This record gives sequence, C-alpha cells and structure tokens, in this order.
Amino acid sequence: SQQGEEDPQALSIQEGENATMNCSYKTSINNLQWYRQNSGRGLVHLILIRSNEREKHSGRLRVTLDTSKKSSSLLITASRAADTASYFCAPYDNAGNMLTFGGGTRLMVKP
Amino acid sequence: EPEVTQTPSHQVTQMGQEVILRCVPISNHLYFYWYRQILGQKVEFLVSFYNNEISEKSEIFDDQFSVERPDGSNFTLKIRSTKLEDSAMYFCASSPDNGSEKLFFGSGTQLSVL
Repeated sequence: SQQGEEDPQALSIQEGENATMNCSYKTSINNLQWYRQNSGRGLVHLILIRSNEREKHSGRLRVTLDTSKKSSSLLITASRAADTASYFCAPYDNAGNMLTFGGGTRLMVKP
Repeated sequence: EPEVTQTPSHQVTQMGQEVILRCVPISNHLYFYWYRQILGQKVEFLVSFYNNEISEKSEIFDDQFSVERPDGSNFTLKIRSTKLEDSAMYFCASSPDNGSEKLFFGSGTQLSVL
C-alpha cells in the first residue's frame, strides 16, 4: 500500500494566519484523503479529493491535487488555536490497498 | 454521528500476559481495522477484516496477534504474550466500504506493558 509523505513535519503559526501543509505520494491514486489527529485521540476524516478533481473546499479547508506532480496541499484559512493537531494525508490507489499514514504535519496555532 | 467505541481506554499489563482490546464498530459498517501508534511515531496499519476473515495484514501483525468478531457487534484484537515494545495506542476503525472513502476511528486504547 502506498503512503503519503507530509511536509513540513512541524508548523507553528499565530491564530488568524493561514496554514499550508503538503503531501507527496508515489503512484496513481483513486483519491486522496486528509485526516486530523488531536493529541492522544483517533484520526478524524477531514476531506477527500478524487483523482479527477483539482480543488475542493470544506469550510475553512481548501485541498488541491496535482496528479502530474503527485502532490496535494491542505490549506487551513484563518487558523484557530483549536486547529492545533497533527494532519495526515492518505492516498488511496486503485489496487484496493489499505490506507496508510505518514508521519504527519504537527500544526501548532498560538493564540 | 455514529461512533466507533473502544474499551478499555487504558490497559496496563505485565510482560508475557495476554490482552484483549475491544471495539464496537459502527453498526452498518462491513470493514474493520486495527492501527497502532507508538508514542510520538506514525499511525501504523496492523490488520483489516472483512466477511469474518483477515483481508490484509502488515508485517507487525505476527503470530502473537489475532483478531476476532465474536458476535454481531464486537471486534477484538488479542495479543497473546505481550512484549514491552507492544506498548502503544491501539486504534480500531471501521468503514462501510473498503476504506476508499473514509475510515471512522475510535478514541483508542492506551496499552502499557510493564
């Protein structure tokens, strides 16, 4: 199964600023999912973007996908302290392989 | 929204003992998973389960591990003889399909092996 690699590993911003996290993967995908993990908790699904989509929005989240570069980005606008968490991308390929998670981006939003 | 529930939230055991971690997946879901996360490290896939059998497992899921769906609602992970390195947070997840759209995670069981 393939795994996304998130970048940067850690990001620290002030409340109100935007946060951008990137994900790269290796092979063709069916879709790519982003998850959030608050400290010591399970992962929570945030958003899914399909391989034929280039951009998707959900509230303050904007996800882009560039299949030619095999990369995706997650933008959180007007960040809040409650957005402090680790964020993971999970590329899903067409072979039915299981979702695996990389090391994530640890986002800290300072009030 | 329906939730995946895991019990207990914390489990402390002695090395060499057997532990059973319990999960109640969302009721109409068909695919079940176990993941684990050693403190400060990535979330690692252990095993997936569908139609009463293992559909995929990772290298971590060796002979010490087993999974079972003993009835219509529970999904369990058994570690036969725990080692110190089994100390981790164990997450159960479920999905209505094969995980291609969304996984629903429980809050985890923190296992400490002494």
